Amino acid sequence: DIQMTQSPSSLPASLGERVTISCRASHDIFNNLNWYQQTPDGTIKPLIYYTSNLQSDVPSRFSGSGSGTDFSLTISSLEPEDFAMYYCQQDVTFPWTFGGGTKLEMK
Amino acid sequence: QVTLKESGPGILQPSQTLSLTCTFSGFSLNTYGMGVGWIRQSSGKGLEWLANIWWDDDKYYNPSLRNRLTISKDTSNNQAFLKITTVDTADPATYYCARIGRYSGRYFFDYWGQGVMVTVSS
Repeated sequence: DIQMTQSPSSLPASLGERVTISCRASHDIFNNLNWYQQTPDGTIKPLIYYTSNLQSDVPSRFSGSGSGTDFSLTISSLEPEDFAMYYCQQDVTFPWTFGGGTKLEMK
Repeated sequence: QVTLKESGPGILQPSQTLSLTCTFSGFSLNTYGMGVGWIRQSSGKGLEWLANIWWDDDKYYNPSLRNRLTISKDTSNNQAFLKITTVDTADPATYYCARIGRYSGRYFFDYWGQGVMVTVSS
C-alpha cells in the first residue's frame, strides 16, 4: 500500500495568513493526488484533483502543487470558513489511501 | 444537482452483518466513467477507503478488510450498497458514500454524502 503522510498534524494560524500543508507519498504517485476539506460538522468537500485542479466552486485562494512524492496545499489568505481538517488522497493505485489529516485551527 | 445519502442500521451487535445503502440523485451509475465509493471514519480518526463500484460493475476492495466487504449497485433505483460481515469493535465509524467523477482521465471523489454513524454494541 502507498502510505500518505501529512504535516503538520495541527496548524495554528490567523485570519488573512498564508498557510501551506504538506503531503508525502511513500512511492511515486506522479500527479495523482487529491485534497479534501472536512468541516467540524463532518461535511467533506472536495477541493483539488490531480494535484492542482480546483474543483468547481472552490475559491481561488486555494492552490495545489507538487509531483512524484511531495505535494502541498496552500491557502493564500485564510478566511473564517477555512478552519477545518484537510486530507490528501492518492488514486494512482488501489487501495486508495488518505493522509492522516491536518487540523487548521485558529491561533 | 448531485446528492448522495447514506442509510444504515445505526446500531448492531458484534458478529452481525452491516448493511449500508447509498441513495443518490443527479447522476446514473449506467453512465460511462461513473462510480460510487465507500469511505469510513472512526471517531477522532482519519479517512479509510473501503470499496468502489463502477458503471461497468467493476469493483475494488480494501484488502485490509480481507473478504468481509461486498459492494453492489441497483442502477434502476439509483442506489449503491455495502455489506461488511462479522462486525467487531474496529468497525464503529461514520460511513460515507461518494460519487467518483472522471476528470482529466483520473478519478476523484467529487460529491459526498453526509455520512451515517454505525455503533457496534452487545
